[in-house]
Amino acid sequence: GAGVSQTPSNKVTEKGKYVELRCDPISGHTALYWYRQSLGQGPEFLIYFQGTGAADDSGLPNDRFFAVRPEGSVSTLKIQRTERGDSAVYLCASSAGADTQYFGPGTRLTVL
Amino acid sequence: GQQLNQSPQSMFIQEGEDVSMNCTSSSIFNTWLWYKQDPGEGPVLLIALYKAGELTSNGRLTAQFGITRKDSFLNISASIPSDVGIYFCAGRITDKLIFGTGTRLQVFP
Repeated sequence: GAGVSQTPSNKVTEKGKYVELRCDPISGHTALYWYRQSLGQGPEFLIYFQGTGAADDSGLPNDRFFAVRPEGSVSTLKIQRTERGDSAVYLCASSAGADTQYFGPGTRLTVL
Repeated sequence: GQQLNQSPQSMFIQEGEDVSMNCTSSSIFNTWLWYKQDPGEGPVLLIALYKAGELTSNGRLTAQFGITRKDSFLNISASIPSDVGIYFCAGRITDKLIFGTGTRLQVFP
């Protein structure tokens, strides 16, 4: 497809479980971003990749959150020992260098 | 995390009316952006501003980058039903975006 895609679109899990959220950026985009959007709020930055490496992970809330982008394309956001406060929409965006960030539809995570 | 102050929080207007919303920050940004988000979708870029004082239009949308680089406003003229949604401002620091709290716009026919 032409845009950023994210899977799954919805994820319901139990407190304490591990989850993985996937992002497929626009083909050829070197930069990839993860944001988290809580209900009624704007998106908040989590982590930014330039190629395969995390250029800025200052937004990750704690060490339960980790993201990878091993081949410089698809990225996976991993959350260990999920807590109810992790419930939010996780948005992925990609850009061609320092250009416009294009957002995917998000993954809605619900932790019961 | 840091969020920019956006006002108003919500607006209920009649089709055809003009709308104005603004965004303020305690920090200086070199780029201001305005996004629109529909339910179940990610934000979509409407306008990007790169220079203090810059006034930019995109169809019925007009946005300005404040002289102090700490604020921006967005105007929508002659609103139509499809303008319904949540509007976010965002300031850019290096490569990450700091978003505002959002303005929810409702347009009645």
